[in-house]
Amino acid sequence: ILNVEQSPQSLHVQEGDSTNFTCSFPSSNFYALHWYRWETAKSPEALFVMTLNGDEKKKGRISATLNTKEGYSYLYIKGSQPEDSATYLCAFRTNTGNQFYFGTGTSLTVIP
Amino acid sequence: NAGVMQNPRHLVRRRGQEARLRCSPMKGHSHVYWYRQLPEEGLKFMVYLQKENIIDESGMPKERFSAEFPKEGPSILRIQQVVRGDSAAYFCASSPPGLAGVAEQFFGPGTRLTVL
Repeated sequence: ILNVEQSPQSLHVQEGDSTNFTCSFPSSNFYALHWYRWETAKSPEALFVMTLNGDEKKKGRISATLNTKEGYSYLYIKGSQPEDSATYLCAFRTNTGNQFYFGTGTSLTVIP
Repeated sequence: NAGVMQNPRHLVRRRGQEARLRCSPMKGHSHVYWYRQLPEEGLKFMVYLQKENIIDESGMPKERFSAEFPKEGPSILRIQQVVRGDSAAYFCASSPPGLAGVAEQFFGPGTRLTVL
């Protein structure tokens, strides 16, 4: 079983603050890293699929970077809004199988 | 274009009964993944299927659990002789044809299984 770790486990920020959190994964046999946003009572929603070392992706105020050599990805949210409150999950896939390994998520609460 | 549908949303079974969970992927999607979320835990991969084929079932318990994705109709996750430890939320996700692993997965709302 591969270990995917996310930190911090939870985060409270004020509206307007920028924030970031980390997903750590094994640096060997990398294939892809997915980021998801999961709001309470809803389904996980795909944010980014990242495959190349040095990848940087952006969607509105949210962006992500990838370092496959050291085994981490950062998710950044600029100018957090209350509607950004959700759990952010990352999922890692190796090039040796089809299984996705999920982290336990970072729970973000944005205080108005 | 309807999203991924799962039914039932809630399922209650007594120990020893069978549970059948259904997942209808998004239109045009031919890949289906099943995940389980036990209480206080993260999502755990169970099985990956393409139409009429099980590609990877390495996350599925060896006994009592089976999955299928027939040519016509939804994907089915079947749990025979359920036990209390099977109580969990079961999610399916679908993705379009193409390179598995790099396509976005679209998740259904999940089925909450409670075993009494």
